[in-house]
Amino acid sequence: DSGVTQTPKHLITATGQRVTLRCSPRSGDLSVYWYQQSLDQGLQFLIQYYNGEERAKGNILERFSAQQFPDLHSELNLSSLELGDSALYFCASSVVGSYGYTFGSGTRLTVV
Amino acid sequence: SQQGEEDPQALSIQEGENATMNCSYKTSINNLQWYRQNSGRGLVHLILIRSNEREKHSGRLRVTLDTSKKSSSLLITASRAADTASYFCATGGMNRDDKIIFGKGTRLHILP
Repeated sequence: DSGVTQTPKHLITATGQRVTLRCSPRSGDLSVYWYQQSLDQGLQFLIQYYNGEERAKGNILERFSAQQFPDLHSELNLSSLELGDSALYFCASSVVGSYGYTFGSGTRLTVV
Repeated sequence: SQQGEEDPQALSIQEGENATMNCSYKTSINNLQWYRQNSGRGLVHLILIRSNEREKHSGRLRVTLDTSKKSSSLLITASRAADTASYFCATGGMNRDDKIIFGKGTRLHILP
């Protein structure tokens, strides 16, 4: 157990639907990062939050949004889902200046 | 966009042999990190090397960094079957606003 908790582990949904992925960071970590991993695109950075504020944005589609709550957990919302959104979605957390990032075990999203 | 690029994309070696993976990156960095990912699982942080360091060891892992060539290498000595995984280099991540950018990884397969 890495200390970063992601739920659900697996999600199967239909095109056009909306889903919410949840991440609880490791205790004490203020930063949360979301990544998307697909076979053809590798591991793509989506978005970063630090202590409730958005800090950096990567290749995140307009159909996707995220937030970090006062208790530091984060949610990634994916809407108007397309087949190409099928991927593993990872959350990672870190303390500023720490040695590396701690990843959750991911949510496998399948859009059918 | 990818910052790091690993080479080779895939590597198969006999158990007991050494495995070397390389990473090249494009822009100036504060640090470079290596991660391991077992199939379908989350990434595990292996080692971080700072931009002012040239070599670092951790158990059977040896990482080198050449900032003049913008490259790094990861050496796994005396490989074991359990080392079978994908290995990613990642750059950045020491400052509050930094996110880490991953390469596409090297798939390492240890043959019995």
